[in-house]
Amino acid sequence: DAGITQSPRHKVTETGTPVTLRCHQTENHRYMYWYRQDPGHGLRLIHYSYGVKDTDKGEVSDGYSVSRSKTEDFLLTLESATSSQTSVYFCAISDGDRASYEQYFGPGTRLTVT
Amino acid sequence: GQNIDQPTEMTATEGAIVQINCTYQTSGFNGLFWYQQHAGEAPTFLSYNVLDGLEEKGRFSSFLSRSKGYSYLLLKELQMKDSASYLCAGRQTGANNLFFGTGTRLTVIP
Repeated sequence: DAGITQSPRHKVTETGTPVTLRCHQTENHRYMYWYRQDPGHGLRLIHYSYGVKDTDKGEVSDGYSVSRSKTEDFLLTLESATSSQTSVYFCAISDGDRASYEQYFGPGTRLTVT
Repeated sequence: GQNIDQPTEMTATEGAIVQINCTYQTSGFNGLFWYQQHAGEAPTFLSYNVLDGLEEKGRFSSFLSRSKGYSYLLLKELQMKDSASYLCAGRQTGANNLFFGTGTRLTVIP
């Protein structure tokens, strides 16, 4: 299994508070991704990174920001959490040197915004 | 953009064969992926097709027809542990991002 961890694994927070989720990898992979997964929507890409300090928006980026100051860490921040951001968040990594670019997922973070 | 369609739910019997279909529409195509996701767990990579044809990997096989925008995942000799959601995902040319369907929840019954 790829070495990917996410923290925290579970979090309950109140509307309007800032929240930061952390993804950490030990594989030295170039690409990192943040997805959210909701019933009826499947996995949707929030932001991704193609290198240190290189990030770009995905399909559902409004209300989220990211940072990648070193290869192994990719942070997702909700500046002011809303109830619509209650979801399961998955981090994924892929090795840009592999032609297939398959992505490997972390264990997920279940976030509840009350 | 991309649109991925797959059935919401399927049921099959232990020991049988099941085929999960996926159709896609995309402005540019560069690969079709299948993932397995057990309830409460992370998706795990199953297969990747970029050329037409069948890729076999043990009990699991994946097929792709680029001209028809169609793929399927074939599971043979079903086991109870195969009960899971199966996610179809496509990648666009020039991008490294995946677009996922909503997943097919497979239930294997005795």
